[in-house]
Amino acid sequence: EAGVTQFPSHSVIEKGQTVTLRCDPISGHDNLYWYRRVMGKEIKFLLHFVKESKQDESGMPNNRFLAERTGGTYSTLKVQPAELEDSGVYFCASLPRGGKRTDTQYFGPGTRLTVL
Amino acid sequence: DQQVKQNSPSLSVQEGRISILNCDYTNSMFDYFLWYKKYPAEGPTFLISISSIKDKNEDGRFTVFLNKSAKHLSLHIVPSQPGDSAVYFCAASPKYTGTASKLTFGTGTRLQVTL
Repeated sequence: EAGVTQFPSHSVIEKGQTVTLRCDPISGHDNLYWYRRVMGKEIKFLLHFVKESKQDESGMPNNRFLAERTGGTYSTLKVQPAELEDSGVYFCASLPRGGKRTDTQYFGPGTRLTVL
Repeated sequence: DQQVKQNSPSLSVQEGRISILNCDYTNSMFDYFLWYKKYPAEGPTFLISISSIKDKNEDGRFTVFLNKSAKHLSLHIVPSQPGDSAVYFCAASPKYTGTASKLTFGTGTRLQVTL
């Protein structure tokens, strides 16, 4: 079974540009999470999808960030326009349908975003 | 306001010795705690967890201890092996919210196991 995959692995853009990150969860996993780690800091929650619905988007920093999960499969996270403070590693995680909070979230390898 | 704190950014331990990684939390609503391990260029992988109804959970070389009154947990690795060298994240989950909820992570502790 394939794990959580993320694309690209690394993205370098200039301030003001747009970047779209993609996450493919484990097949059949209805729960999908986005997290971000700014260098040296904690891994911070951004938002949680259940299928195509946003269950919790309390961690989204501002309206420059837009997450979508059309069809309840893969998800995209768009940053537009990117700012310097958006640099960090963006992780995606997934959990099976009906997953409880005591179940393990499976993380992807992350996308390292560098905004110059 | 950081609700899960790992105050030691790094730790170096000799192979065969015990590694002890610490974590403190401030939110009384947390009642499920996890440790994740992360290698460079990889995502975090689940290591071990503990529910607040327990004070200890053991899995092979890994044991997690929970002190609820002190809002403190620790991860013990015995014996430490070079392959354990990684960044360890403490994470917490709040009491039942109706669905599989988000995790709140600490800043991580980089463990280096030397030969």
